Amino acid sequence: AQTVTQSQPEMSVQEAETVTLSCTYDTSENNYYLFWYKQPPSRQMILVIRQEAYKQQNATENRFSVNFQKAAKSFSLKISDSQLGDTAMYFCAFMGLIQGAQKLVFGQGTRLTINP
Amino acid sequence: GEEVAQTPKHLVRGEGQKAKLYCAPIKGHSYVFWYQQVLKNEFKFLISFQNENVFDETGMPKERFSAKCLPNSPCSLEIQATKLEDSAVYFCASSRLGGRGSYSNQPQHFGDGTRLSIL
Repeated sequence: AQTVTQSQPEMSVQEAETVTLSCTYDTSENNYYLFWYKQPPSRQMILVIRQEAYKQQNATENRFSVNFQKAAKSFSLKISDSQLGDTAMYFCAFMGLIQGAQKLVFGQGTRLTINP
Repeated sequence: GEEVAQTPKHLVRGEGQKAKLYCAPIKGHSYVFWYQQVLKNEFKFLISFQNENVFDETGMPKERFSAKCLPNSPCSLEIQATKLEDSAVYFCASSRLGGRGSYSNQPQHFGDGTRLSIL
């Protein structure tokens, strides 16, 4: 079964610093997708960035970028120039063909606090 | 609409009562998913639909949980005889059809969730 592991329950950095959230996953599939979702205290689930496994180039969205290491099954999220509004829970998620149907498998989440 | 709309935002029920949650997916999206987020923040997949057809129900507790997506109506998730452990935030998500066959490569867009409190 596919699993997603986020080994950092909590992280805290100062505003404007760079922070990296780690995520590892386990799968026997070759084609799949990886996502990072942000969940602020309002509990909305906001898609931050996505990565297709067949693409070697790391995805980037403004201040957010990923380091995708397919062989190592690692998918970390880097937030540059962090802002107070980045304070939230961050979930790494895997999407592939699981039992023949699309499904998201989430990690346990990392609570990120940006301090002024 | 352009957003996944979930109602109500908060639902309080006494143990043993019925609870019914609603979700209107984004217009044009073919897939609907239900997830349960418990207090420890863990997400559990419950069920998915492709249009009005059940696509994957491997996560559903069959005894008390049921779900429907009928044409021209919001999708619904119903819990009969609620238990204390059903207290959670229930998220609905939708995605467009894309990719090959039954496999969609489109990202899921989430609603704001319904917080279900069982007293």
